[in-house]
Amino acid sequence: GQQLNQSPQSMFIQEGEDVSMNCTSSSIFNTWLWYKQDPGEGPVLLIALYKAGELTSNGRLTAQFGITRKDSFLNISASIPSDVGIYFCAGQRETSGSRLTFGEGTQLTVNP
Amino acid sequence: DTEVTQTPKHLVMGMTNKKSLKCEQHMGHRAMYWYKQKAKKPPELMFVYSYEKLSINESVPSRFSPECPNSSLLNLHLHALQPEDSALYLCASSQVNMVSYNEQFFGPGTRLTVL
Repeated sequence: GQQLNQSPQSMFIQEGEDVSMNCTSSSIFNTWLWYKQDPGEGPVLLIALYKAGELTSNGRLTAQFGITRKDSFLNISASIPSDVGIYFCAGQRETSGSRLTFGEGTQLTVNP
Repeated sequence: DTEVTQTPKHLVMGMTNKKSLKCEQHMGHRAMYWYKQKAKKPPELMFVYSYEKLSINESVPSRFSPECPNSSLLNLHLHALQPEDSALYLCASSQVNMVSYNEQFFGPGTRLTVL
């Protein structure tokens, strides 16, 4: 099936540092979504992107829809301990209807 | 109300039991989804309902039976499950329109353990 390559798989950072993660694919996507999941909870939608080149912020989070429509990145600035969790990218292709393709996730650990 | 609620939070069942998972949303969304998620893996789509009609079944075994009684409720009926079906079961909902169709909002999940 279609895959999204999400990297890095895990990150260990100090509080206050900035974080960057990305997702790439060989296929074109119409929509990119970024979710955060805490242990034992469901994913929470952070940012939705709908246009190539679009740059969107949500507080300390910034995400971009790549110009080629094959990639997206998420940046977190000035990380805090509650940023800990697994971050998933998800993309939707024109031919996939309501199906989302998820990346494998980035496990973020923030040391106080 | 911007929440998707799921009950129960945890469920332990034997392989001969019949149980049901429930999901509810009051955001006016007309698409609802069931996902299965194993530890440290992304969610895997199982079923999609659009306007209360089953639109996608991702070749899920018949021991999982979805039901959408109305636009706010989604059930997943479980019967004769296997231990490998133990997972976090997530419900999600979304609008059905061109702009925000794919902004899927997830519930907290039901942690299912099959003994």
